[in-house]
Order: sequence, then structure tokens, then C-alpha cells
Amino acid sequence: AQSVTQLDSQVPVFEEAPVELRCNYSSSVSVYLFWYVQYPNQGLQLLLKYLSGSTLVESINGFEAEFNKSQTSFHLRKPSVHISDTAEYFCAVSEVIQGAQKLVFGQGTRLTINP
Amino acid sequence: DAGVTQSPTHLIKTRGQQVTLRCSPKSGHDTVSWYQQALGQGPQFIFQYYEEEERQRGNFPDRFSGHQFPNYSSELNVNALLLGDSALYLCASSRGTGNTEAFFGQGTRLTVV
Repeated sequence: AQSVTQLDSQVPVFEEAPVELRCNYSSSVSVYLFWYVQYPNQGLQLLLKYLSGSTLVESINGFEAEFNKSQTSFHLRKPSVHISDTAEYFCAVSEVIQGAQKLVFGQGTRLTINP
Repeated sequence: DAGVTQSPTHLIKTRGQQVTLRCSPKSGHDTVSWYQQALGQGPQFIFQYYEEEERQRGNFPDRFSGHQFPNYSSELNVNALLLGDSALYLCASSRGTGNTEAFFGQGTRLTVV
């Protein structure tokens, strides 16, 4: 079974500073990876995904993640954060059993942006 | 496009009672999955419905059951509620059942007292 480890439960940073949220997954033949963001009292929103192709994937709001097969990692980065980025971030790996997909999530990383 | 909609948004139930949560998938989606998110935790997969059948199930007891209707909407039923069932219940919809992008609803916050 797949598993996901998010190495930091909380990450505090100052506004306009860079940030990296770390994610490691258990190895598999083929891997499909996702980052979701959850704002307070809301559901999950897809931030970006790696299904195939380029190992560097980008979102529309400046986040990027790099799929590293040798290190089984999918770390999320942003060069300059804003107050509005304050949220919980979840890394997830897709596991397909008998044709049905389920997402296996990490425990989440709470990103807090300080002015 | 209304996206994935869930009802109700909040619910308070007493131990031993039964509850039904509802989900309408995003337009064009035919697959619905349910997740339980306990406070401070990542979501845990409960089960997935496709073509009105349960296709895969996570590590949840039989007290958790579901249904999918011909219009692809879905219900999650939980019987004999326990305090530990208090959580945010998330519905996700997708197109097909393989590796694909899943869209989540806002969730239903269930509190068992």
C-alpha cells in the first residue's frame, strides 16, 4: 500500500520569503502525485498534479513542485509567499486497486505567513 | 459549473443515531469518493462509487455504507454513531475510476455528542 509522509507539521515564514513544504511517498512502479490546499473551514482545492511528463509542475498562483523519483519526493515550493497563502497543505499519492482510484494523503503541513 | 456540492454543511447527532450525508458531483463526472478527515489529520478514504456500485473500500467498518444514484449523486450513511465519528466528511468526484484528477466539495462537519 502507498504511504505519504509530510515531514513538517507546521511551517512559519515571513511574508515575501521563500518556502518549501516537504513530501515523500513510498515507491511504486508508476506514481501520480497531487498537492491540495485547504483554507480554514473549507474543502480541498487542487493546487497542482504530476501525472506524467515534465518532472517540474507549476500552479497558477506561483507554487511549483518537482517530482524526484530517485528520492521518492514531491516537494512544494514558492519563491515568495503572501499572507493569503496561509492554509493547510496536503500531499497525496494516487493508488489504483482493481481499477478504482483512492488518494492516500499525508498528515498535512500548516503554513503560517507572518507579516 | 456548480462544482461538487455537499449537504448539509454542519450536523450534530447523538451517539447511537444514524446520519445521511449527500453529495452531487461536478458536471460531467460519474465517480464519487468519500473521505473522512478527523481534526488535525489528512483525509482518509472511505469508499468509491462508480456505476452505482461500491468499487473500492478503505479500512472502515460496515457501519459506513453508501449509495450512488443514476444521476451520479451519492449518499454516505453512518449507523450507530460513535463519538469518534466526529469529523469533516469530504466528497470527491472524478471522471472515470483510474488515475485522474479529483475535485472536492466543501465537506460536511459532523459532530457526535
